[in-house]
Amino acid sequence: GENVEQHPSTLSVQEGDSAVIKCTYSDSASNYFPWYKQELGKRPQLIIDIRSNVGEKKDQRIAVTLNKTAKHFSLHITETQPEDSAVYFCAAITGNQFYFGTGTSLTVIP
Amino acid sequence: KAGVTQTPRYLIKTRGQQVTLSCSPISGHRSVSWYQQTPGQGLQFLFEYFSETQRNKGNFPGRFSGRQFSNSRSEMNVSTLELGDSALYLCASSLDGSLEIDEQFFGPGTRLTVL
Repeated sequence: GENVEQHPSTLSVQEGDSAVIKCTYSDSASNYFPWYKQELGKRPQLIIDIRSNVGEKKDQRIAVTLNKTAKHFSLHITETQPEDSAVYFCAAITGNQFYFGTGTSLTVIP
Repeated sequence: KAGVTQTPRYLIKTRGQQVTLSCSPISGHRSVSWYQQTPGQGLQFLFEYFSETQRNKGNFPGRFSGRQFSNSRSEMNVSTLELGDSALYLCASSLDGSLEIDEQFFGPGTRLTVL
């Protein structure tokens, strides 16, 4: 089956700096890669996603890049704000199955 | 442990009809979330149920509703089906939903086609 690895497990940045979270996957059949943000005590929420036929997607301060050849995708958050502090999960989808990364706990230091 | 199960796996309906989808969470899980997955919109959160109460709701019209039973099983209902409702509907269960890191387990989904 699919194996998704996510790094780093924890990340601390100063407010205003950028944060990058990376994921790798193993199954070349995976064709959809969502990112979820989970704030403390709240449900994970999809923040951005990318399909296998797209190399990059942006949404305001958040961007995701996908390298199908290398089987890795990354989440980029620019101009970080304290409210960006949360756990971020990547996922790779194969068929109907979601394979999640282990999560990155991002702390934005004011 | 058995995983999250959803029934039916495939469903074909016509516009105007209504449909009920079922989700059985992992034993012991009390939180059930529903998502709609479409090629154009990706995965969109519909709602989440916890202890038979809707705790969170996404931005979907009132035609989409759900409920949860005392055994944590959940149903989702869509009334007055539209062509755009064709999608894969996923539910996901988790233990509690209020933990800092609460792993979410998704079911295989119900693929709904509206003709």
